[in-house]
Amino acid sequence: NAGVTQTPKFQVLKTGQSMTLQCAQDMNHNSMYWYRQDPGMGLRLIYYSASEGTTDKGEVPNGYNVSRLNKREFSLRLESAAPSQTSVYFCASSLRGLAGGGFFGPGTRLTVL
Amino acid sequence: GDSVTQMEGPVTLSEEAFLTINCTYTATGYPSLFWYVQYPGEGLQLLLKATKADDKGSNKGFEATYRKETTSFHLEKGSVQVSDSAVYFCALNQAGTALIFGKGTTLSVSS
Repeated sequence: NAGVTQTPKFQVLKTGQSMTLQCAQDMNHNSMYWYRQDPGMGLRLIYYSASEGTTDKGEVPNGYNVSRLNKREFSLRLESAAPSQTSVYFCASSLRGLAGGGFFGPGTRLTVL
Repeated sequence: GDSVTQMEGPVTLSEEAFLTINCTYTATGYPSLFWYVQYPGEGLQLLLKATKADDKGSNKGFEATYRKETTSFHLEKGSVQVSDSAVYFCALNQAGTALIFGKGTTLSVSS
């Protein structure tokens, strides 16, 4: 049982480049989330998927797109990276909603130059 | 909207000292409350939770009590260890959509 896995662990991009962050969970969870963590800001929700086939915006969705590929996988895409998107990105999953807390992946540290 | 406020850090303690990290929340309903811990270079781990007023969550010697009257969920530990050095996040969840986090408190414990 790997839990929540994220790839890559580290990435450096130039302004304007695109990339996709991958997330997968093997716990048969229905709900998946993408957060970003910035110093002094805590974690902020980017997008979430309450169940397979649905996605919704969170607090800070601008500049991002998501795809719930299947029940296991939830990807986050940066179409045209900007320095303001330099952050640590965490994927999380839960059985249904986060009333009981959630399981977080190890994170992807992204730097945009 | 809903929000979580944590005491600012860093908190620096000697081993075996008593720890308190304050957390207060603002919410319209009756949220579930959580403490997460993030060790250096790692993701967040759920430390403890409480789902209703007067509930006490506990784990690994840490505990926190859901106080509705003061809208607080302070984290305490009687005797900290060097291995407790980490960033601690208070969070709430309402209506089952997403967790709302505080900004985090860095704890540094020296031997």
